[in-house]
Amino acid sequence: DAGVIQSPRHEVTEMGQEVTLRCKPISGHDYLFWYRQTMMRGLELLIYFNNNVPIDDSGMPEDRFSAKMPNASFSTLKIQPSEPRDSAVYFCASTPLAGGPTSTDTQYFGPGTRLTVL
Amino acid sequence: KQEVTQIPAALSVPEGENLVLNCSFTDSAIYNLQWFRQDPGKGLTSLLLIQSSQREQTSGRLNASLDKSSGRSTLYIAASQPGDSATYLCAARGHGQNFVFGPGTRLSVLP
Repeated sequence: DAGVIQSPRHEVTEMGQEVTLRCKPISGHDYLFWYRQTMMRGLELLIYFNNNVPIDDSGMPEDRFSAKMPNASFSTLKIQPSEPRDSAVYFCASTPLAGGPTSTDTQYFGPGTRLTVL
Repeated sequence: KQEVTQIPAALSVPEGENLVLNCSFTDSAIYNLQWFRQDPGKGLTSLLLIQSSQREQTSGRLNASLDKSSGRSTLYIAASQPGDSATYLCAARGHGQNFVFGPGTRLSVLP
């Protein structure tokens, strides 16, 4: 398997523009996560999906952020309108079915998308 | 709310030295704790996962321990090598699939 795939790897945009980040999880994985990493705040969970259904979006910072997972092999994170403070590295991760406290739910991360909003 | 901290923030050691990285978490009601490695400009790679019922896990030169009652985990690296240079993050999994990450320890192993 090619692992978790993210595109684009780098994105530079101007304030106010719409940004769409894309993720293809590992085939067969039931959970998909979106994270944001900054120097100031570290790695933060934004939202995660189980079987394409959003389960917890409490980490999404504002209504400007939205995420979708139309099928098991594709997810998007959209920022509209973008602001300079959204500049960060955005990671997508997936994990196999997690059955509870004793399950092995190792997360597999993509290479990330480095977003710069000018 | 779970909070995860890591000490030290950065560490520089000569090649061959054994070292310990520390991770602390405030809520002991965790399902598991994972250690990850992150190379510059790359994603995270899972190194070890310790279930809440376990005390330690080993993989090669790496050994991770977990003490839920004290809210602590340590990552022990034996005979460090320059290739071990990276940032190491720990993450505590609580209810559901909520993973809370620590800020990381930046390790430099000097040849």
